[in-house]
Amino acid sequence: DTGVSQDPRHKITKRGQNVTFRCDPISEHNRLYWYRQTLGQGPEFLTYFQNEAQLEKSRLLSDRFSAERPKGSFSTLEIQRTEQGDSAMYLCASSFRDRIYEQYFGPGTRLTVT
Amino acid sequence: RKEVEQDPGPFNVPEGATVAFNCTYSNSASQSFFWYRQDCRKEPKLLMSVYSSGNEDGRFTAQLNRASQYISLLIRDSKLSDSATYLCVVNRPGNAGNMLTFGGGTRLMVKP
Repeated sequence: DTGVSQDPRHKITKRGQNVTFRCDPISEHNRLYWYRQTLGQGPEFLTYFQNEAQLEKSRLLSDRFSAERPKGSFSTLEIQRTEQGDSAMYLCASSFRDRIYEQYFGPGTRLTVT
Repeated sequence: RKEVEQDPGPFNVPEGATVAFNCTYSNSASQSFFWYRQDCRKEPKLLMSVYSSGNEDGRFTAQLNRASQYISLLIRDSKLSDSATYLCVVNRPGNAGNMLTFGGGTRLMVKP
């Protein structure tokens, strides 16, 4: 399968713990995006990379959130000191340089903070 | 006010029916518009772009009204497999390029 992959698919953690998610984009795609989606809502943009450079961050991305894409391939999203409000589906997407609106999404990581 | 607003539905229609969804957006600087489809517990997938002159892809027709900042999606001859959530998506010009803003989605249920 050459689509976008995310790991883990599900994560249950206790409030205050740190969690890290991984996204592997489609190999030819140089743009990578992180979104958060809660029940009944559309995906909300969190941050975006072009190659290894993080070019934009949403105001939703508080200081507890950090994302990296060190070699311009896979990306990680870390949430420190998780809160119950962080419970959501975290989606990763990637796109070609010249087709930035045709974003291919991964299956997501569902985070539950207890 | 949300940047992209949609009626959440659900729209319950019989097979073969024609159904239309609408969406409004608030950022007049937006230039690009799309419909994505999201099946239950699955990731969103691009359904079609929306062009200024309107465009059709099989049973699906998308239209744009820039003056009213309004986008529509028409589905003709609905199939059971059309049951999904339809997300209206608009680009949001940003400092580093264009981002996508998603509406909350409209849920469609096609019944036999």
